[in-house]
Amino acid sequence: AQSVTQLGSHVSVSEGALVLLRCNYSSSVPPYLFWYVQYPNQGLQLLLKYTTGATLVKGINGFEAEFKKSETSFHLTKPSAHMSDAAEYFCAARRPSGTYKYIFGTGTRLKVLA
Amino acid sequence: GAVVSQHPSRVICKSGTSVKIECRSLDFQATTMFWYRQFPKQSLMLMATSNEGSKATYEQGVEKDKFLINHASLTLSTLTVTSAHPEDSSFYICSAFLAGGLNEQFFGPGTRLTVL
Repeated sequence: AQSVTQLGSHVSVSEGALVLLRCNYSSSVPPYLFWYVQYPNQGLQLLLKYTTGATLVKGINGFEAEFKKSETSFHLTKPSAHMSDAAEYFCAARRPSGTYKYIFGTGTRLKVLA
Repeated sequence: GAVVSQHPSRVICKSGTSVKIECRSLDFQATTMFWYRQFPKQSLMLMATSNEGSKATYEQGVEKDKFLINHASLTLSTLTVTSAHPEDSSFYICSAFLAGGLNEQFFGPGTRLTVL
């Protein structure tokens, strides 16, 4: 069965430091992968996605992620954290064909320290 | 483009009443919409898949008679929480699937339901 695991429910970084949020998937075929950000009492905003092609994907707000099939990972990074990055981040996966349903990870709350 | 709205954004109701939440795709047609429930500090839990013109498909453990879903048009899906109770209080989020080149879900801003 397909699943998404986010290691670390809470991550704290200092402002200006590297942000690394981890996401691993379990799937019989490489899925489409997504990272979303959620601010309090708001919906989800897409940061970036991987479907096919280049495995290093750049998104909004300086975030990027690399799809590594051998490691079944899709970790999210940002070189320099900003206070406004503090939010909840969700990794999601869906099959390339058939159902359009997403499988969400449990989320990682990012805290940025001044 | 690809904007999804939800109405209302917040609703407070008394126990035993029914509440309807609307999800609209504003600038595209969505044959498929999804309804999620999110408890505080938790992930999104898929409740059901809504397909225009047909019955919704509910996830295991979701009471279809309690959470009525109607996808009456290509731009509107509604979730009605019937005979609401305090345990139904939650954040409800819908999404609309944009097929074609993007092949992704676009999420609404969510509706905070509080049942007293």
